Amino acid sequence: QSVLTQPPSVSGAPGQRVTISCTGSISNIGAGYDVHWYQQLPGTAPKLLIYGNSNRPSGVPDRFSGSKSGTSASLAITGLQAEDEADYYCQSYDSSLSGWVFGGGTKLTVL
Amino acid sequence: EVQLLESGGGLVQPGGSLRLSCAASGFTFSSYAMSWVRQAPGKGLEWVSTINNGGVSTFYADSVKGRFTISRDNSKNTLYLQMNSLRTEDTAVYYCAKGYGGDYRNWCFDHWGRDTLVTVSS
Repeated sequence: QSVLTQPPSVSGAPGQRVTISCTGSISNIGAGYDVHWYQQLPGTAPKLLIYGNSNRPSGVPDRFSGSKSGTSASLAITGLQAEDEADYYCQSYDSSLSGWVFGGGTKLTVL
Repeated sequence: EVQLLESGGGLVQPGGSLRLSCAASGFTFSSYAMSWVRQAPGKGLEWVSTINNGGVSTFYADSVKGRFTISRDNSKNTLYLQMNSLRTEDTAVYYCAKGYGGDYRNWCFDHWGRDTLVTVSS
């Protein structure tokens, strides 16, 4: 059971908008720690997608955006493309565990 | 270009040991924290261990504390993970990852290696 909870799967048609939630608690997201998001394409290493709640590394399209409120965070993907089909993970720090934690991951399917 | 190249994975019996290495290039290795993250077959990502840039501060997940030791050699731009008393549940691909951020609690992993597979089985 992951400390950060994500839906196991989401789906959307090309061109649509999808969101992936990441729900934590007062010992991680709710404590004010940053949330980061990663994209893992099949058979590859994870790639940093969003850092510091809402910042995009260079090269990441602005179709990807992040937000945080209270004990939760969200990743939004607009203008869905076939190449976005991947697993997505949120990550933060947990003060109770004294370590970094990941969500269980969400598989995005582009219909 | 940041490059992280892991090595040292393989098949080991339960109770055995293995040492992973991660050779880094393309950035000032001694300026950044480094971490190990693993992924069991068909499962999600699990943070394993982190070491600060100077090698003085180390952090471990409860699942590996007391069995794994993270270290680094800044003169060789290399990160290590000594894994002892291995269990079947340690079977996973292990990624080396570069840390990024200000306060250590807000660190993210901005570059990842390609992974090395560790299989613990009799």
